[in-house]
Amino acid sequence: RKEVEQDPGPFNVPEGATVAFNCTYSNSASQSFFWYRQDCRKEPKLLMSVYSSGNEDGRFTAQLNRASQYISLLIRDSKLSDSATYLCVVKKNSGYALNFGKGTSLLVTP
Amino acid sequence: DVKVTQSSRYLVKRTGEKVFLECVQDMDHENMFWYRQDPGLGLRLIYFSYDVKMKEKGDIPEGYSVSREKKERFSLILESASTNQTSMYLCASSLVGGPSQETQYFGPGTRLLVL
Repeated sequence: RKEVEQDPGPFNVPEGATVAFNCTYSNSASQSFFWYRQDCRKEPKLLMSVYSSGNEDGRFTAQLNRASQYISLLIRDSKLSDSATYLCVVKKNSGYALNFGKGTSLLVTP
Repeated sequence: DVKVTQSSRYLVKRTGEKVFLECVQDMDHENMFWYRQDPGLGLRLIYFSYDVKMKEKGDIPEGYSVSREKKERFSLILESASTNQTSMYLCASSLVGGPSQETQYFGPGTRLLVL
């Protein structure tokens, strides 16, 4: 089983739609989780951290389910500018290195 | 703002050449990382460094080496470039300690083509 797995998509949704991505991780001892965003031909950038209690930033909500070892990202009221690849990221057990999922591609259409 | 710069955006090299990719960060970050990103394979960690002159192997270190002589600079070296090293190379840095210690800041990437 890969350390971090995501559905690659693509997810094609109309503007205004709500879309959710899930990600599973294999190491039950993992402690830190993130979503990064990568625009086409650009570098990844942190979108948000994922806390045990869940967290929300505007239209974006991230949740963690430790029992099932999955992380989710919900985007409400999708905008054209949300079109990007969303990377699920889990911190490796020791040190500061990160495990990146392969990413889920989102295309928001007019 | 944190700035991570990479020496080249695009690079074309021939098989067998020695290739140097340079990365510089301006925020006094202790940690620096080199990844490669390939379609269908995602980001894979090559090497990382927690301090000057320190280095740790990542998941795919074969065929690569690194150098960190100064805190702000982390170099990736392809000793003898091969066609399977054609890829996008991304450098990142992060801070030790503080609320954003686990956030990695990426450079714009170097797209390397080995012929």
